Amino acid sequence: AQRVTQPEKLLSVFKGAPVELKCNYSYSGSPELFWYVQYSRQRLQLLLRHISRESIKGFTADLNKGETSFHLKKPFAQEEDSAMYYCAIETSGSRLTFGEGTQLTVNP
Amino acid sequence: DGGITQSPKYLFRKEGQNVTLSCEQNLNHDAMYWYRQDPGQGLRLIYYSQIVNDFQKGDIAEGYSVSREKKESFPLTVTSAQKNPTAFYLCASSISGSTTYGYTFGSGTRLTVV
Repeated sequence: AQRVTQPEKLLSVFKGAPVELKCNYSYSGSPELFWYVQYSRQRLQLLLRHISRESIKGFTADLNKGETSFHLKKPFAQEEDSAMYYCAIETSGSRLTFGEGTQLTVNP
Repeated sequence: DGGITQSPKYLFRKEGQNVTLSCEQNLNHDAMYWYRQDPGQGLRLIYYSQIVNDFQKGDIAEGYSVSREKKESFPLTVTSAQKNPTAFYLCASSISGSTTYGYTFGSGTRLTVV
């Protein structure tokens, strides 16, 4: 069965430091992977998709099929990046399976 | 103003009661989903529907029921059979059941059993 694991429940960094949110998955085929973000008092929203190879708000994520990982990275964290981040994988029937989430806090 | 509306925002239920959570969208999306969000467990799929009058069980469907009589509406009923219903419930929708363009999420309903 498809599964997404985010090993860090909480992650705290200082402003300007690099940040990496880890995501590992298990899937037998070619995965479609996503990162969603939920800022305080806002709705959960799509941050980026691996298929687009895009950089959103300075964040990037590279799919590593060998390590079955899709870590989210940003070279210089900002205070406004503080939020809950969820990694997700598309499963059968165009469903999304989400990881447990990582609460990122960027300290001034 | 397009989007998903969930109501009510807060809901209190007595033990043994059924309650229904509303989810309405005016995005003309074909697919709709219900997730349950618990601290430390992420989002878990309860039910989803890719077309009117059809729906499938997700990973934790026991104790829940849904209907999809209209494209814009996907209500979730939490029955008395659900052993631990206190949680935050999120509704989402997507174009034609595709994940490519992402899901649009509602603002959620917090259900508390009293």
